[in-house]
Amino acid sequence: ETVLTQSPGTLSLAPGERATLSCRASQSVSSSYLAWYQQKAGQAPRLLMYDASTRATGIPDRFSGSGSGTDFTLTISRLEPEDFAVYYCQQYGGIPWTFGQGTKVEIK
Amino acid sequence: QVQLVQSGAEVKKPGASVKVSCKTSGYDFTSYYIHWVRQAPGQGFEWMAIINPSSGDTTYAEKFPGRITLTRDTSTSTVYMELGSLRSEDSAVYYCVRKTTARPFDYWGQGTLVTVSS
Repeated sequence: ETVLTQSPGTLSLAPGERATLSCRASQSVSSSYLAWYQQKAGQAPRLLMYDASTRATGIPDRFSGSGSGTDFTLTISRLEPEDFAVYYCQQYGGIPWTFGQGTKVEIK
Repeated sequence: QVQLVQSGAEVKKPGASVKVSCKTSGYDFTSYYIHWVRQAPGQGFEWMAIINPSSGDTTYAEKFPGRITLTRDTSTSTVYMELGSLRSEDSAVYYCVRKTTARPFDYWGQGTLVTVSS
């Protein structure tokens, strides 16, 4: 099983600032099958990025993803008020599909 | 548009079973796998199972030996998840999620809260 470790656990930033979220895998993620999701309280997750660096449909370009192998990063270039949420990484390279424990981006 | 609509919240006693439905629409039901994941209160996500709606083939996470069953009804484009021998640790929001090969989970149901309490 591929364990995903996200850091930091919480990121306290102001609107307009840059957010950098990390996701580290316990083994290489096959074909960079790494996705990022955003979840707001009481809602289902929303797909942001897939294949490590491809934005999902309708996702603004202030979101970007990078990385390969075992180290991946989600960057939000300038935080908008609606971006404060919890972010999860997930690998879909094989069974079992696993998630990181999440990074909360909160308003400073 | 693609929709996955789940059945409503459930309260169950320890040892009981729960069956959650996931009705899909807006796409070819047999062309996408349906997965189930759950999220305990304040926690992350745990993958549980997958069904191929075309063949009915299933794969379950090792954590649920003999406790979980996925079925589908192609006439109504609905997938069902039944979890038995419930214990308090099974209290969570259960999501059905659509996925195809080499792609992530793209559409999620709204979630179904299952509470296990005596």
